[in-house]
Amino acid sequence: GQQLNQSPQSMFIQEGEDVSMNCTSSSIFNTWLWYKQDPGEGPVLLIALYKAGELTSNGRLTAQFGITRKDSFLNISASIPSDVGIYFCAGQLTNAGKSTFGDGTTLTVKP
Amino acid sequence: GAVVSQHPSRVICKSGTSVKIECRSLDFQATTMFWYRQFPKQSLMLMATSNEGSKATYEQGVEKDKFLINHASLTLSTLTVTSAHPEDSSFYICSARDRGTVSYGYTFGSGTRLTVV
Repeated sequence: GQQLNQSPQSMFIQEGEDVSMNCTSSSIFNTWLWYKQDPGEGPVLLIALYKAGELTSNGRLTAQFGITRKDSFLNISASIPSDVGIYFCAGQLTNAGKSTFGDGTTLTVKP
Repeated sequence: GAVVSQHPSRVICKSGTSVKIECRSLDFQATTMFWYRQFPKQSLMLMATSNEGSKATYEQGVEKDKFLINHASLTLSTLTVTSAHPEDSSFYICSARDRGTVSYGYTFGSGTRLTVV
């Protein structure tokens, strides 16, 4: 089946720094999604990308859908302590289909 | 926004018993819901796709007789873990999409922590 490689696995940064994480796939997806999961909770959707090359922002978050449709990145600018959590990328082949999730990037922000 | 309610949030059961987990879309209709399983520090693994009014579609390696899924209405799907064993202990999460929106992202429930003793 399809696999997503998400990197880095974990990040330890200082408050105020910018963060970048990415996801690559061996095959194409038609939709890329980025989620954040807090401990003991379900993931929350941050950004959805529907077109190759699309660049979308949500506050301090920016994500891009790679031109090849096999990758995506998420940037967080000026990190704050509440950004702590696990960030997952997910790809979908069909618009209402099932999602394949990456392994997650655990973000720690030091005040 | 769309809200998915999952209940219970935590459950401890004895080995050999069955546990039912509910997933409700509170303010929207969901013809499709998904059930995931997540082990500590790992990603979400799709178990099955729950379809309203029809049989669930299970992923390869997931025992359909052990993980019974029922999607009896457009707002409720249930996952029953039958004859639970300690290795079934995990975090189970459901998700649903509001078919009335253009977003293709799914709303997740808050998860159920199952511990089998």
